[in-house]
Amino acid sequence: SQKIEQNSEALNIQEGKTATLTCNYTNYSPAYLQWYRQDPGRGPVFLLLIRENEKEKRKERLKVTFDTTLKQSLFHITASQPADSATYLCALGGFSGGYNKLIFGAGTRLAVHP
Amino acid sequence: KAGVTQTPRYLIKTRGQQVTLSCSPISGHRSVSWYQQTPGQGLQFLFEYFSETQRNKGNFPGRFSGRQFSNSRSEMNVSTLELGDSALYLCASSWASVQETQYFGPGTRLLVL
Repeated sequence: SQKIEQNSEALNIQEGKTATLTCNYTNYSPAYLQWYRQDPGRGPVFLLLIRENEKEKRKERLKVTFDTTLKQSLFHITASQPADSATYLCALGGFSGGYNKLIFGAGTRLAVHP
Repeated sequence: KAGVTQTPRYLIKTRGQQVTLSCSPISGHRSVSWYQQTPGQGLQFLFEYFSETQRNKGNFPGRFSGRQFSNSRSEMNVSTLELGDSALYLCASSWASVQETQYFGPGTRLLVL
């Protein structure tokens, strides 16, 4: 079955540094990948989408890469700020088992310290 | 433009009861998806509705069902509640497909005692 792995332990970094979060997957060939941010007690908020034929996507301080050979996506936040502290979820999408699905990873908690 | 709204926000039920959760998508959005989020399992896809029809479904038992109305509002029903159904239930809407940006509501936190 499809499996998505994100760093289960929290990532602690200093303000101003670049945070790098990893999303690995197996038994799946997604057509696209999305990254979401979730704050405690709230629903996830969409950040970026990257398709299988794209290597890299950027949006302001955010950058995502997608390596279909390594079956991995990296999510970078440059010049991180305490306000970036949240849980970040990756989600893989595509057609599987007769359905168009979006499968989420468990998320990585990021803590940016001043 | 108003975001996705879900009601109620909190709910306490006992085992064996049934529950109905409601979701109003962003105006103009026709795709509504439901997810269950628990600390152990993360965010799991329940089903997606589009134009009043269930178009996609996840791997949940038949106790979980839903429907969508002509105005795209959606309801999710869970019958014969079990303790393990305690979770945050999230609804997300998009223009036409789960492939697009999903706009999530704040969720309904269900506690089954």
